[in-house]
Order: sequence, then structure tokens, then C-alpha cells
Amino acid sequence: AQKITQTQPGMFVQEKEAVTLDCTYDTSDQSYGLFWYKQPSSGEMIFLIYQGSYDEQNATEGRYSLNFQKARKSANLVISASQLGDSAMYFCAMREFQTGANNLFFGTGTRLTVIP
Amino acid sequence: DADVTQTPRNRITKTGKRIMLECSQTKGHDRMYWYRQDPGLGLRLIYYSFDVKDINKGEISDGYSVSRQAQAKFSLSLESAIPNQTALYFCATSDPLPSPGNNYGYTFGSGTRLTVV
Repeated sequence: AQKITQTQPGMFVQEKEAVTLDCTYDTSDQSYGLFWYKQPSSGEMIFLIYQGSYDEQNATEGRYSLNFQKARKSANLVISASQLGDSAMYFCAMREFQTGANNLFFGTGTRLTVIP
Repeated sequence: DADVTQTPRNRITKTGKRIMLECSQTKGHDRMYWYRQDPGLGLRLIYYSFDVKDINKGEISDGYSVSRQAQAKFSLSLESAIPNQTALYFCATSDPLPSPGNNYGYTFGSGTRLTVV
């Protein structure tokens, strides 16, 4: 089974509008962390936001917020007031703290295009 | 200087050649990882190391080998490169404990674009 599922290969959003990128995860660990990364065309992985499994409040970082629904095992990224520079690939990832290598499991990504 | 440095940034090599991708870090982390990204896919784990004497295979280790020369250096080798190893390769380090000051425990290098022709 996939650890991380991103079902939206591509999304379009109008500049200044909000957009939600979906992510669901699968783990039996009680302690885990969920990450979102942005990958522009230059290729580097840019950290955006993190949510720990024990965090009761949804994480926020500027225009980014993470809608964490633990019972549904979802960790959707919300970008408010989209900007042209937000056009990029976005990856959801999970780190399990109790088992394995503590590596990150990645989804297949969502390509976001911001329309002027 | 970057916390995690990968060299080279870009490389074109011929089928059958041996090639080494290098990674060095100044984070002081024991844990280091090599990931591979294919177009349209997320990153997949090739190898990881928890210290100099602890090397482990990841999800897609076939055709690759690694060397942990020191805490700060972790190299990935393709013994005989083939075209389907054309990809973007990332090195990463991790801290056992996530915290806001260190991107919650994970630091990536800038990536190496490898093309095998």
C-alpha cells in the first residue's frame, strides 16, 4: 500500500485565490510527522510546513496552512492568496518515528499552476 | 555555504560508465540518505546510513552502491550506468528530533541531475 497518496496530478488556481492540495497517508505508527515541500523548476526541495501527529492544532506558516484530519489520515495543504511564484510541484511526505529508517515517504506530487 | 552539498550539480555520462555522486554535510547529523526522483514521481529511497559503519538498502538499491567515508560524507556510485538511471538524485540528512529550527529534522541537498546516454 502507498504510504502517501496525492490524487491531483495537476491543479490550476487564479492568482490571489486560495487552493487546497490533497494528501492522504497510511501508517500504523503512533508517532509520525507530515511534511509539504515545494519543488520549482530548478529542482531543489523547499520545505514549507510540518505537522506532528501529536500536534493538536493545524500548522501554519505564512500563507501555508496544513489541514490535519487525523481520523481521516489526511494532511491537505492550503495556500492562501496564490501568487505567480507559487507555480511549482508540491510534494507531501511522511516520516515515521517508531519504525524503520526514519526516511521520508513521498507522494507523487501535484503540479500547481497559478493563472494571472 | 550550503548545509548539504552535492557534487556535481549536473552530469551526463555514457552507458556502462562508473560514476560517483558525492554528498557532504555540515549539519553534524549522523543520518544520511540518498533519494532518486524520476519525472512525475516523488522521491524514492536508494540507501541510508545511520553512521559510518551502518549502511542499509532502501527501496530501490539495485544498480547502486554507497560509501560513508566519514560522518560528513556519503557517496553514491553507479557501477555501470544505464539509461533508466537517468534521474534527479538527492542527498539528505536527518536529525532524530524534529524542531522548527532545522526544518523539522530534514535537510536536502540541491540535487544532482544525472543523464545516462
